[in-house]
Amino acid sequence: DGGITQSPKYLFRKEGQNVTLSCEQNLNHDAMYWYRQDPGQGLRLIYYSQIVNDFQKGDIAEGYSVSREKKESFPLTVTSAQKNPTAFYLCASSLQGFLDEQFFGPGTRLTVL
Amino acid sequence: AQSVTQPDIHITVSEGASLELRCNYSYGATPYLFWYVQSPGQGLQLLLKYFSGDTLVQGIKGFEAEFKRSQSSFNLRKPSVHWSDAAEYFCAVGTNQAGTALIFGKGTTLSVSS
Repeated sequence: DGGITQSPKYLFRKEGQNVTLSCEQNLNHDAMYWYRQDPGQGLRLIYYSQIVNDFQKGDIAEGYSVSREKKESFPLTVTSAQKNPTAFYLCASSLQGFLDEQFFGPGTRLTVL
Repeated sequence: AQSVTQPDIHITVSEGASLELRCNYSYGATPYLFWYVQSPGQGLQLLLKYFSGDTLVQGIKGFEAEFKRSQSSFNLRKPSVHWSDAAEYFCAVGTNQAGTALIFGKGTTLSVSS
């Protein structure tokens, strides 16, 4: 089945640690996205990539980093510079760009202890 | 820059009753409008979208939405709600300017009572 997988589903980390969230898609989509979701805040874009080896900052990129070395993979690293990292993180992909239907993974809930 | 407002944070509807979720957008040119649904603890799924043409668009799961330019609205409707429709609903607006991200509303949580 085609789709997007995110792992792990739940993640706990101590303050000061970096952590990497995985996102893989087998839809052959060019574009991939990372969103952060907080209660009552909707989705906010962290980073996006429309082609391999290229990515752009979204509205809240500070404290996060990404890479896009392969078309099917777009990992997100939450660094210790992110001041309030506890949130639900969603990865998505689309055929080419924002106006194409975005397919979402099931999300990773990150809790900083 | 575009923006989107969902005025209702939480709505409760009886099973079998009709539903309307409100969405208002702000954008100077023709907007590209979307409705997504999110079940608890899951990712989002596209219900429907409007780009141009007929202002009444049909989506999946029996949902429809109507684009009203004069009111800057794109309200989501369903004639008869099922318990499985309980979820969070997000309206989003985009533009045809390259690299412009979708802007999501803050969502409306739908509860369905029996």
